[in-house]
Amino acid sequence: SAVISQKPSRDICQRGTSLTIQCQVDSQVTMMFWYRQQPGQSLTLIATANQGSEATYESGFVIDKFPISRPNLTFSTLTVSNMSPEDSSIYLCSVDSGVTGELFFGEGSRLTVL
Amino acid sequence: KNQVEQSPQSLIILEGKNCTLQCNYTVSPFSNLRWYKQDTGRGPVSLTIMTFSENTKSNGRYTATLDADTKQSSLHITASQLSDSASYICVVSARYKLSFGAGTTVTVRA
Repeated sequence: SAVISQKPSRDICQRGTSLTIQCQVDSQVTMMFWYRQQPGQSLTLIATANQGSEATYESGFVIDKFPISRPNLTFSTLTVSNMSPEDSSIYLCSVDSGVTGELFFGEGSRLTVL
Repeated sequence: KNQVEQSPQSLIILEGKNCTLQCNYTVSPFSNLRWYKQDTGRGPVSLTIMTFSENTKSNGRYTATLDADTKQSSLHITASQLSDSASYICVVSARYKLSFGAGTTVTVRA
């Protein structure tokens, strides 16, 4: 299994500001995934972060709004830029086992934009 | 339209009782189906993973079933405990793409 630590666990931010969420894994992984979980809705994949290359974004998500860094095989950051109340959500970092196909998730970062 | 539909959206049960959650999917081609438990304020944790050939898989008091022909899965919780209060999410995998259900929120009351 993988142990994933996310920071911050929650934050309240002002409209127009940006927030960076950090994700640390206790083992080296090839791909890390960033998800958004809006209230009452299913998880939505924002992007896949590969070490040494640009992140791959899903439809509806763009790099200018959600820049991602992946400096090494155990760490990634997701920035939510120029926030609006619509960005209020839980953001989750995830990795897969590569063997069993199981997904491991961080605890999530609950973001509230006022 | 979401390719993974879960029902009910929420339910309340008394401690010690059983309950069954449903997951219907249209995802194709099918690779595997997973059930996750998400406690409030926590990340999802895997309960079971089932491939096409598996009909039933258990994890303690949790038993998942899969009918790949009808594209239906269920998660049965036996002898519920207060700690079972959580959201249960069905996830279907197709060629490395995951489709998530919106989840069923279960509340267990003493």
